Amino acid sequence: GQNIDQPTEMTATEGAIVQINCTYQTSGFNGLFWYQQHAGEAPTFLSYNVLDGLEEKGRFSSFLSRSKGYSYLLLKELQMKDSASYLCAVINSNYQLIWGAGTKLIIKP
Amino acid sequence: DVKVTQSSRYLVKRTGEKVFLECVQDMDHENMFWYRQDPGLGLRLIYFSYDVKMKEKGDIPEGYSVSREKKERFSLILESASTNQTSMYLCASSLSRGEVNEQFFGPGTRLTVL
Repeated sequence: GQNIDQPTEMTATEGAIVQINCTYQTSGFNGLFWYQQHAGEAPTFLSYNVLDGLEEKGRFSSFLSRSKGYSYLLLKELQMKDSASYLCAVINSNYQLIWGAGTKLIIKP
Repeated sequence: DVKVTQSSRYLVKRTGEKVFLECVQDMDHENMFWYRQDPGLGLRLIYFSYDVKMKEKGDIPEGYSVSREKKERFSLILESASTNQTSMYLCASSLSRGEVNEQFFGPGTRLTVL
């Protein structure tokens, strides 16, 4: 089967750094997305990785290791508005998007 | 900017009613998707479409049907709503088939079936 694993919930402090992990087992791989979803709202695109390594975009960075089936999203200088769910999704060999259940990130002052 | 709109943000229906959820995108995307999202389960694909009048079943199509008569519009139909279809329904679109494109989501419809 195909599955994506992420922690259900994480808590971090405003101004700190947090790393959200995602491991996957899929039939083939054509890239990995991270989306952000605030409560009651639609998911919005954060990043896309297809090659190994780190992609940095402002306070957010995303890392991929294809050999390990592993990715993480790194959030720096956390702000209260970063409180949201973070969804990991993998594109398999059929170009289908396989979604993780999401990680709810709680930021405390 | 891509805009995906859904006909209702909140909907309350009774068991056995026929329910229509409408989704419209304005960027000429070929692909459109319907998901439901439940706590702890993530996004589950109900149906998707790569072209007008074309539809394919996703992971959980039972109890649902879809219609795509125009490229910009993708409708989800619950023929006879049941309480276990109470959920958040999200529509998404992406550029074209067989390529890696991000999906753009509508605001969602929170459906309650009583």
